[in-house]
Amino acid sequence: DAGVTQSPTHLIKTRGQHVTLRCSPISGHKSVSWYQQVLGQGPQFIFQYYEKEERGRGNFPDRFSARQFPNYSSELNVNALLLGDSALYLCASSLAPYPTGNTIYFGEGSWLTVV
Amino acid sequence: GQQLNQSPQSMFIQEGEDVSMNCTSSSIFNTWLWYKQDPGEGPVLLIALYKAGELTSNGRLTAQFGITRKDSFLNISASIPSDVGIYFCAGHTGNQFYFGTGTSLTVIP
Repeated sequence: DAGVTQSPTHLIKTRGQHVTLRCSPISGHKSVSWYQQVLGQGPQFIFQYYEKEERGRGNFPDRFSARQFPNYSSELNVNALLLGDSALYLCASSLAPYPTGNTIYFGEGSWLTVV
Repeated sequence: GQQLNQSPQSMFIQEGEDVSMNCTSSSIFNTWLWYKQDPGEGPVLLIALYKAGELTSNGRLTAQFGITRKDSFLNISASIPSDVGIYFCAGHTGNQFYFGTGTSLTVIP
């Protein structure tokens, strides 16, 4: 079975541009969450979605948005990119949203560089 | 946001030695997870803990959910070169997981 898949794996954008990152969860998983990982730090929670509804939001500006589709895949959108948005963006899937004892499984991530 | 104190920040050990790392928090968590991340890749789940006092093993790895629910440790026995990487703890409270800053492990053959 395929794990969590993310695309693109690497991309370079310029300041002010917009980016869309995509994620497909593990088959059977209905919850997707997004994390930002800056070099040298642990992942920081951005969003969680379950059954197409937002179930949690971390401390990120409104430039960050996300959505989940009927097939449980998800997109993360970031507008008006800043240099500080350069990071590894990780998608994680779980059977259900927290806190039901489920664990989260990560994809390989999308490396975003803003120049 | 929530802070998880993970220590040590880095470790350099000889192959065959045992390793111990831990995470502490000022808040109570209801789940603790341990991940390993290799350069350029996403974190891979090692062990999940759901109950205070729970002790769980996965091969040479053993982790425990602290009784106070504010800490967890991960032990690796008889380290091998492929154990090299960054290890992260993650604790769940509220509606999200919080991650530690990572322990970088280097195993010297």
